[in-house]
Amino acid sequence: KQEVTQIPAALSVPEGENLVLNCSFTDSAIYNLQWFRQDPGKGLTSLLLIQSSQREQTSGRLNASLDKSSGRSTLYIAASQPGDSATYLCAVPDPSNTGKLIFGQGTTLQVKP
Amino acid sequence: DAGVTQSPTHLIKTRGQQVTLRCSPISGHKSVSWYQQVLGQGPQFIFQYYEKEERGRGNFPDRFSARQFPNYSSELNVNALLLGDSALYLCASSLAGGRSSEAFFGQGTRLTVV
Repeated sequence: KQEVTQIPAALSVPEGENLVLNCSFTDSAIYNLQWFRQDPGKGLTSLLLIQSSQREQTSGRLNASLDKSSGRSTLYIAASQPGDSATYLCAVPDPSNTGKLIFGQGTTLQVKP
Repeated sequence: DAGVTQSPTHLIKTRGQQVTLRCSPISGHKSVSWYQQVLGQGPQFIFQYYEKEERGRGNFPDRFSARQFPNYSSELNVNALLLGDSALYLCASSLAGGRSSEAFFGQGTRLTVV
């Protein structure tokens, strides 16, 4: 059974710092991994999708890496800004259920001015 | 282009009542999925529909049901509401709903059961 874990649950950093968010999964037979951002009480915004054949994806100040063999993905945020404050969620497709995404609990990030 | 739209944005219902939530996917997307997110947790899968057929179901009671219309929009129905059904309900759309498809989410419907 696929399980997704995100550690830490919360993170507070000063503005300008580079930071890394972690996501781990138990079943390495994934098709892809998706990172989302969620502002309080709002929906999910897709940030990056990494296919299983890829090692990295970049979008602006965000860089996501994927290591299937170790069951890990990291989301790197460069030069953090207060506007980056949000909850970040990672998700992988359930290999036994088409269309079902399995989410981690999320990491809530606070960037202090 | 419009993203995934959900209505209503907020809803307050009484225990025992029934509720219907609506979702319109991104134009051209044929798959819609529903998720429940309680405070402090990641979203939990409820249903997936593709081409009006149910393709997947999560571990939710029969009080939860859904359907997809010919224009690919979808409704989620919850009967006999319980206090524990209070949550953010999220709709996601994707092109074909397969395991390699990217999912795009709406802003959610906040349901409060009192």
